[in-house]
This record gives sequence, C-alpha cells and structure tokens, in this order.
Amino acid sequence: GQSLEQPSEVTAVEGAIVQINCTYQTSGFYGLSWYQQHDGGAPTFLSYNGLDGLEETGRFSSFLSRSDSYGYLLLQELQMKDSASYFCAVSPLSGYSTLTFGKGTMLLVSP
Amino acid sequence: DGGITQSPKYLFRKEGQNVTLSCEQNLNHDAMYWYRQDPGQGLRLIYYSQIVNDFQKGDIAEGYSVSREKKESFPLTVTSAQKNPTAFYLCASSARAANYGYTFGSGTRLTVV
Repeated sequence: GQSLEQPSEVTAVEGAIVQINCTYQTSGFYGLSWYQQHDGGAPTFLSYNGLDGLEETGRFSSFLSRSDSYGYLLLQELQMKDSASYFCAVSPLSGYSTLTFGKGTMLLVSP
Repeated sequence: DGGITQSPKYLFRKEGQNVTLSCEQNLNHDAMYWYRQDPGQGLRLIYYSQIVNDFQKGDIAEGYSVSREKKESFPLTVTSAQKNPTAFYLCASSARAANYGYTFGSGTRLTVV
C-alpha cells in the first residue's frame, strides 16, 4: 500500500517563502505530484517530479529525493491568494495509474 | 473550453435512498476517477475507469457503484448500503498517464438528511 505524511497546517506572511514537506512509503513508486485546493473548490495540478531534483514553475518549485522517499513544495513571494490546501500524491506505476493523496497541508498566508 | 462538469453542486438525500452523481468530460481523456473527501482528510479513491465498459474498485468502493458506457461520462451511484455518505465527491480525468496531472471537476457536496 501507500502512505504519505505532510504537515496539517503551515502559516506564513505575504512575501515570505514556505516549504511544505511530504514523506511517503509506497509499494511501488513512479513519481510525486502536488495539487492546490482552495476551500470548497476543485484541486488543481501544480507540479510533477519523476526524477530526483528540483522542478521550477514560476513562484512554485517542487523537489524529490527518491532515496529518502521525500519531497517538498516550495512557494516563494507568498501572496494572500496562495492560502489554500496543498496535497502531495504518489503515482505507483507508469501509464494509466491512480494517485494516492496525502491528507493535505493548509497554508494560511497573513498580511 | 474543455473540462469536467459535475452536477449537481449540492445534493441532499434521505437515509435509505440511492442517489447518482453526474460527471461529464470533454477532454477526450481515457481515464476517469471518483474520489471522496472528508473534512481534514485527503482524497480517497472510490472507483476508476481506464477504458469504456471497464472499471475497477478503489480503496473505499463499498456502498458505491459506477458505470462507463461512454468515454465522456462516469456517473457514481451512492447506494443505501453506504454507511456514511455525507462528503464532498470529486470526479477527475487524465490522459494516458496520471503523472501528467488529473483534471478535477468542481465537486458535489452530498448531505444525508
């Protein structure tokens, strides 16, 4: 099976940098994804790491270390609109594959 | 514009009734998924389908049923056998590999009254 651990809540101020960690234990692993969900809304895809290292997309970056079964999402120049829940998810296989999600980290950005 | 449409947005059900949640996509995605989300919880997989006329149980399939008669449609029925059906239900679809990202619908919030 798969299990993922991420902090339940993180707080930060506008303009700051925040890192949301995710550790996983899986029977098979192909990659780590991140999704953002605003309250009551649809989750939206942010990033995917299939290889070790850092992937950068604008203000957001995601990192993966397969040897440590660990990844993180880095949010820079925080804005109020970044207040949301962030989920990491693992893909156990390539091709058609279901995702197993963590319980999510609620990010609260204050002025 | 392409996307996934879930309806209704809010649904109230009396205990003992079956109810069907609609999910339609025009993204030409082969795979479709149903997830359940409870407060403070992650998304848990109910059912998924990788191709028309075929579907597989997820982690919490008991008390639910699905069909996949068309590529565009993947309705979920919450049956009276589901002990605790009040939740937020999310439908998603993906192209060949989920790694490249799911597209989610806006969800249906089901409340049992």
